[in-house]
Amino acid sequence: QVHLVQSGAEVKKPGASVRVSCKVSGYSLAELFMHWVRQAPGKGLEWMGGSNPDDGETIYAQKFQGRVTMTEDTSTDTAFMELSSLRSEDTAIYYCVTPPAYSSSHYFESWGRGTLVTVSS
Amino acid sequence: DIQMTQSPSTLSASVGDRVTITCRASENISNWLAWYQQKPGKAPKVLIYKASSLEGGVPSRFSGGGSGAEFTLTISSLQPDDFATYYCQQYNRYSITFGQGTRLEIK
Repeated sequence: QVHLVQSGAEVKKPGASVRVSCKVSGYSLAELFMHWVRQAPGKGLEWMGGSNPDDGETIYAQKFQGRVTMTEDTSTDTAFMELSSLRSEDTAIYYCVTPPAYSSSHYFESWGRGTLVTVSS
Repeated sequence: DIQMTQSPSTLSASVGDRVTITCRASENISNWLAWYQQKPGKAPKVLIYKASSLEGGVPSRFSGGGSGAEFTLTISSLQPDDFATYYCQQYNRYSITFGQGTRLEIK
């Protein structure tokens, strides 16, 4: 069973950056393909990007290209998502999510509890 | 990007009812579709993957159907725990998109 533990809530000013972490247990991060999904208050789910099982590279949704960076530290089984040039519309809950272990499929079986990022002056 | 459109946006139903939610894709996605249930303040939970495969531990009253560009999620007999918001998600192309959600409320 994959267990994902995310870092705590953040409050940031417009223009700043935020880094959210996601600690994996139950499996090693190397056995998983990590993705990030966000949800603005009262809104739907939005995929931000994730690891491509075909080549191990990270693919970002076009909307976030140039503003988001997803990295992994396999020594600590921790994934990170950094979003820069924050604006009020980035206020949302950010989830780390994974497909089933060893699966190259892109549906999400495991979800972190989410990290609320609030962007406010 | 592939657009996913769910209908209806809101559905009012009673315990014991059979309900169906539809998800339409803007192009053919084969059977690369998942359904999620989300309750307030909680992360979504996968119910169905590959259009019709039931995720382990999910009650058998949930079923998925369809292929190509039109898909359904059916709950055969609504239980009190099923009142929630449901999302479809396509994963045919590597730009994953979700439907806008269907809120299932108690009539």
